[in-house]
Amino acid sequence: GAVVSQHPSWVICKSGTSVKIECRSLDFQATTMFWYRQFPKQSLMLMATSNEGSKATYEQGVEKDKFLINHASLTLSTLTVTSAHPEDSSFYICSALLGGTSVYEQYFGPGTRLTVT
Amino acid sequence: EDKVVQSPLSLVVHEGDTVTLNCSYEVTNFRSLLWYKQEKKAPTFLFMLTSSGIEKKSGRLSSILDKKELFSILNITATQTGDSAIYLCARASGSARQLTFGSGTQLTVLP
Repeated sequence: GAVVSQHPSWVICKSGTSVKIECRSLDFQATTMFWYRQFPKQSLMLMATSNEGSKATYEQGVEKDKFLINHASLTLSTLTVTSAHPEDSSFYICSALLGGTSVYEQYFGPGTRLTVT
Repeated sequence: EDKVVQSPLSLVVHEGDTVTLNCSYEVTNFRSLLWYKQEKKAPTFLFMLTSSGIEKKSGRLSSILDKKELFSILNITATQTGDSAIYLCARASGSARQLTFGSGTQLTVLP
């Protein structure tokens, strides 16, 4: 149980285009999901907290108009990178909180590698 | 500042060796400390530590938390090549439900 999927697993796009990444909790409902970004040889940096039915909370320095987050259902959150640039190339990972167990125990998706050319 | 510091940054050992990975944190409102293993993809959960001095064990891996000195260690005994990965520790705060990750320790186990 507690499986989180991401789609796509990797994507290459041209500079200036938008890319949507999906994060799904497959066998549980998640009112809260998190989006992280990881650059090579660096740790995970929290970008935003996605709450079902309400606006996402963004971390300082993360542009909310560039990284659009929608958490429309209890099993799906999406991250859209708008007008992508090469510096947005990174590994994007989502996680979901499994209710009923420890609220601090997050289950991570397999990640999406974005390359912007 | 809610900083999580891991050491060493990288470690190369041979199969059968025992390793100790360190994680220290500077934070108030601490709730728990978590360890993850990251291979090529997303992190997989290893341990969550909330109480000081209580060792958590899973096979060859074990971990313990010292809340007075604000650090945790992750031990891996009889290492295998499959243990090669980045080991991340993360601190959870009491109210935000968010995790602050350390930079990770890159462990390489040579045959």
